Amino acid sequence: AQSVTQPDIHITVSEGASLELRCNYSYGATPYLFWYVQSPGQGLQLLLKYFSGDTLVQGIKGFEAEFKRSQSSFNLRKPSVHWSDAAEYFCAVGARNTDKLIFGTGTRLQVFP
Amino acid sequence: DVKVTQSSRYLVKRTGEKVFLECVQDMDHENMFWYRQDPGLGLRLIYFSYDVKMKEKGDIPEGYSVSREKKERFSLILESASTNQTSMYLCASSGLAVGNEQFFGPGTRLTVL
Repeated sequence: AQSVTQPDIHITVSEGASLELRCNYSYGATPYLFWYVQSPGQGLQLLLKYFSGDTLVQGIKGFEAEFKRSQSSFNLRKPSVHWSDAAEYFCAVGARNTDKLIFGTGTRLQVFP
Repeated sequence: DVKVTQSSRYLVKRTGEKVFLECVQDMDHENMFWYRQDPGLGLRLIYFSYDVKMKEKGDIPEGYSVSREKKERFSLILESASTNQTSMYLCASSGLAVGNEQFFGPGTRLTVL
């Protein structure tokens, strides 16, 4: 069965600092991987996704993520965080034989000026 | 612009009431989902529908039922609301191809008194 772990519940960074949010998954084959962002009181918006091919994926709002099969990880990165990036971030994994996704428990990002 | 809408952003109901949460998508998607979001638990799948009148239980279906009479509309029903169903409810939809991203509505925050 698939599972997703986001080890960091809450992260605080200063505006302009770099960011890395961790995501580890468990799945026997190559999964589909997603990062979503949820601003306060809103639904989830897709930041980026990995299906196959290039393991470094570019997304919206200056985010990128790297799929590392050997580490079962799909960490989200941004070189310079903006105050508007404060939100909750969810990693999700999908399998090739189902339309369902499994979501991690989320990481809340706080940005200080 | 693709859109998933939910009938209410905020809802307050009393214990024992029957509650209907409505979700409509305009993308002609085959798949629709209902999730429950609670702090520290991430998103948990309640029910999933892959076609009109077709449904599949998710991870936490107890106390809930669903209805999908038209392709664009997916309803979540709480037959007899209880206080432990106070939560944020998110609806999502996706296309038929496996691995398609899910598009989310803004959510309904339900409080059961």
